[in-house]
Amino acid sequence: DTAVSQTPKYLVTQMGNDKSIKCEQNLGHDTMYWYKQDSKKFLKIMFSYNNKELIINETVPNRFSPKSPDKAHLNLHINSLELGDSAVYFCASSQDPGIREAFFGQGTRLTVV
Amino acid sequence: DAKTTQPPSMDCAEGRAANLPCNHSTISGNEYVYWYRQIHSQGPQYIIHGLKNNETNEMASLIITEDRKSSTLILPHATLRDTAVYYCIVRVGTGGFKTIFGAGTRLFVKA
Repeated sequence: DTAVSQTPKYLVTQMGNDKSIKCEQNLGHDTMYWYKQDSKKFLKIMFSYNNKELIINETVPNRFSPKSPDKAHLNLHINSLELGDSAVYFCASSQDPGIREAFFGQGTRLTVV
Repeated sequence: DAKTTQPPSMDCAEGRAANLPCNHSTISGNEYVYWYRQIHSQGPQYIIHGLKNNETNEMASLIITEDRKSSTLILPHATLRDTAVYYCIVRVGTGGFKTIFGAGTRLFVKA
C-alpha cells in the first residue's frame, strides 16, 4: 500500500492547457509538500500545507495553485501551461513541520509541448 | 538553511563500506543534518538525520564532526541497489521541509 501516491505518473499536454496533479498520503501526516525537480535535477520546494493551512509558499508563478481538501490530500493545479513548466513534480508528506523526515511520492513527469 | 558541499560522484565496490562526505561549514546550532537518496527517477528516499550525535539505523550510519561543520554517511556493506544520488541537507527543525535538494553525490556501486 503506497504511502504517498501521485496521479498521473506521466502527463503530456499542450501549451495553454490547464492540468491538475493529485496527491494522497495514507500515513496520517499533518504536513504535505509539492516540489519541482528541474532538468538539472535540483529539487525545489513550491508549497506546503499543515493541517490544510498554507505554511510555505515559495516564489512560483500564480498559475500554480495548491488545494488541500483534507489533511490526506494536496492537489496541484496549473493554469495556462508553458514549455518551462516541463519537469518532474514530487509530492511529499511529513508528520509535522518539525524535525521529522519527509516521505516522497514517485513523481509526476509533466511534459508541455 | 545552510549550504552544503558534496563531491559530484564516487565509486564503491560491492560489499565494501561507502563513505559519503558532506561539508556544511556554515551550519548553525539549531540546524539538523539529513541524508536522502534518489534512485534513478524515483522519489527521494529518507535515510537518516541527526543534530550533533552520531546516529545509526538499519540503512546507514551518520557521523557528525564535533564542530558540526562536516558529516559522513556510511553505508556499511554497499550493494548494487545502493547506486543512487545521495543528498546531504541541512535545515532547522521547524517551519516545514522547505530546503532545496542540490546536486548531491552520484554513488556508483560496482560489482
